[in-house]
Amino acid sequence: GAGVSQSPSNKVTEKGKDVELRCDPISGHTALYWYRQSLGQGLEFLIYFQGNSAPDKSGLPSDRFSAERTGGSVSTLTIQRTQQEDSAVYLCASSEERGETQYFGPGTRLLVL
Amino acid sequence: AQSVSQHNHHVILSEAASLELGCNYSYGGTVNLFWYVQYPGQHLQLLLKYFSGDPLVKGIKGFEAEFIKSKFSFNLRKPSVQWSDTAEYFCAVNAPRYGNNRLAFGKGNQVVVIP
Repeated sequence: GAGVSQSPSNKVTEKGKDVELRCDPISGHTALYWYRQSLGQGLEFLIYFQGNSAPDKSGLPSDRFSAERTGGSVSTLTIQRTQQEDSAVYLCASSEERGETQYFGPGTRLLVL
Repeated sequence: AQSVSQHNHHVILSEAASLELGCNYSYGGTVNLFWYVQYPGQHLQLLLKYFSGDPLVKGIKGFEAEFIKSKFSFNLRKPSVQWSDTAEYFCAVNAPRYGNNRLAFGKGNQVVVIP
């Protein structure tokens, strides 16, 4: 079946602009996660959605970062007023339920000039 | 906070050599353990996982890992590597029973297999 999909694959933006990154999880998966992969920091957790529960936002690095998940499916990660240090690969993952195996999408490579 | 340690970030070896990648975590409760692999130009894929039961876990492509609870370790092994095993390998841990569903990743091991 279809895996996790993310769009766009690549995004180049200017410092100070807002960007939106999209994630389509595997159909039927109730849990959705966002991670960031950067050279200096490795893979870092950002935010976690589980069903209708309040999201775990504890990994978001600043209030410029936000995410929502509509209808328990598609998720959008928004970065406002982008900074050069936001340049990274943003990965989305989904799982059937909490604690189960997370399946990753191909990521969105963000470059902030 | 959970932390995951992977040593020897860069590993270079010849085909048919044996590979062992170390993974240690710092979390005292019940954990789920994973190894993910990222081949060049591809996304993260699950190599193997341990939730409970037999501490010796077999995964895809001839990989296996052993959970040693007393050592907080989950080392990855392959007896004879191939050129196609060139990739970056990540150890990851979560503890869902304690409300912690996020994966904590190690820094990764960049493995290069020379033909």
